[in-house]
Amino acid sequence: GDSVTQMEGPVTLSEEACLTINCTYTATGYPSLFWYVQYPGEGLQLLLKATKADDKGSNKGFEATYRKETTSFHLEKGSVQVSDSAVYFCAKNYGGSQGNLIFGKGTKLSVKP
Amino acid sequence: DTGVSQDPRHKITKRGQNVTFRCDPISEHNRLYWYRQTLGQGPEFLTYFQNEAQLEKSRLLSDRFSAERPKGSFSTLEIQRTEQGDSAMYLCASSPRDRGEETQYFGPGTRLLVL
Repeated sequence: GDSVTQMEGPVTLSEEACLTINCTYTATGYPSLFWYVQYPGEGLQLLLKATKADDKGSNKGFEATYRKETTSFHLEKGSVQVSDSAVYFCAKNYGGSQGNLIFGKGTKLSVKP
Repeated sequence: DTGVSQDPRHKITKRGQNVTFRCDPISEHNRLYWYRQTLGQGPEFLTYFQNEAQLEKSRLLSDRFSAERPKGSFSTLEIQRTEQGDSAMYLCASSPRDRGEETQYFGPGTRLLVL
């Protein structure tokens, strides 16, 4: 069935380090791809999205490119901050009229000063 | 937009009791989704509505679960005869799907603990 697989954490980085969180998905139809973030004690927030192949989503210094050939949507940031500490979820929908999301298990990121 | 709101934020109940959660979506969002999230996992889809019509239900939604959205605005999720395995965070999301916007906006969730 449809699935999203993302690298397991936790990931611990020092401030200003580079971040990559890998995400791959099963290719069914033409899904849109999303990264959501959950800060401690808060609800899920959309971080960025891409709706078709080769699209790049970006927000708050984070980027991810929709790679159809590798069915991937890796999250990257060049220089992380302590305030980026959170759980990051990769997700896809089914495309078309079926809108519910399939999420990965989440990757917890801790950034140390 | 005031955002998606959920009530209550926390619920503790005894096994066998019934519980009901409420979700108020962002106004004018005609799609409303329910998800369940357990510790260390991503959210799992339960069901969704377009306006007042319930269009899909996951196999996770057993007969003890029922959801309604009677006037196409707020929604309720009821769990009957709760079991300890129902302990989880229940998330609601809404989206303005009809305008071609697929982004789902999530509420803060209702955390359920079944003793």
